[in-house]
Amino acid sequence: AQSVSQHNHHVILSEAASLELGCNYSYGGTVNLFWYVQYPGQHLQLLLKYFSGDPLVKGIKGFEAEFIKSKFSFNLRKPSVQWSDTAEYFCAVNGRGSQGNLIFGKGTKLSVKP
Amino acid sequence: SAVISQKPSRDICQRGTSLTIQCQVDSQVTMMFWYRQQPGQSLTLIATANQGSEATYESGFVIDKFPISRPNLTFSTLTVSNMSPEDSSIYLCSVDVQGMNTEAFFGQGTRLTVV
Repeated sequence: AQSVSQHNHHVILSEAASLELGCNYSYGGTVNLFWYVQYPGQHLQLLLKYFSGDPLVKGIKGFEAEFIKSKFSFNLRKPSVQWSDTAEYFCAVNGRGSQGNLIFGKGTKLSVKP
Repeated sequence: SAVISQKPSRDICQRGTSLTIQCQVDSQVTMMFWYRQQPGQSLTLIATANQGSEATYESGFVIDKFPISRPNLTFSTLTVSNMSPEDSSIYLCSVDVQGMNTEAFFGQGTRLTVV
């Protein structure tokens, strides 16, 4: 079955701490991978995406993610978080060549203490 | 990119009634998607709405419960019919502007509470 697992439900960090959010997927075939962020009261926004090429992907606001095919993983990282990174983060996958429909993980709520 | 407006942003409804959610996009798009996010759960795709054809529903979702309209390339509606408390969720509209292998854009969602 196609699925996405996010290991952490809620992560609490102090400012300047490093962040790594885990994401593993189960999907037959070649995949596209995404991280979306939802700030309080706002739309889901794309942080970064992987379609092909360099498995280390850099996104907005200093976030990056690494696609490790052998581990079916796409973990999100940021070396130093800020209070403004407080949000919910969603990992998502779809099949290469598909048209927009995504399979999402349950999301990880990140709280950054000032 | 695409800007998506959803109405209403939230509503509280009586069980047994129906609610229609509107999704307006600022550009023409081929495919629009409706998702549901139940409390504590991930986003789940309800259906894909193509202009000029019947919506395609995912397993576990049926047209009688979630009828969808797609009258043109910038607009769609999702109706939640004969609501029960189990339908309390956030419903989101999404579009894929350029087609294959691109990102999806989301509306702000409609927070529905059924009492």
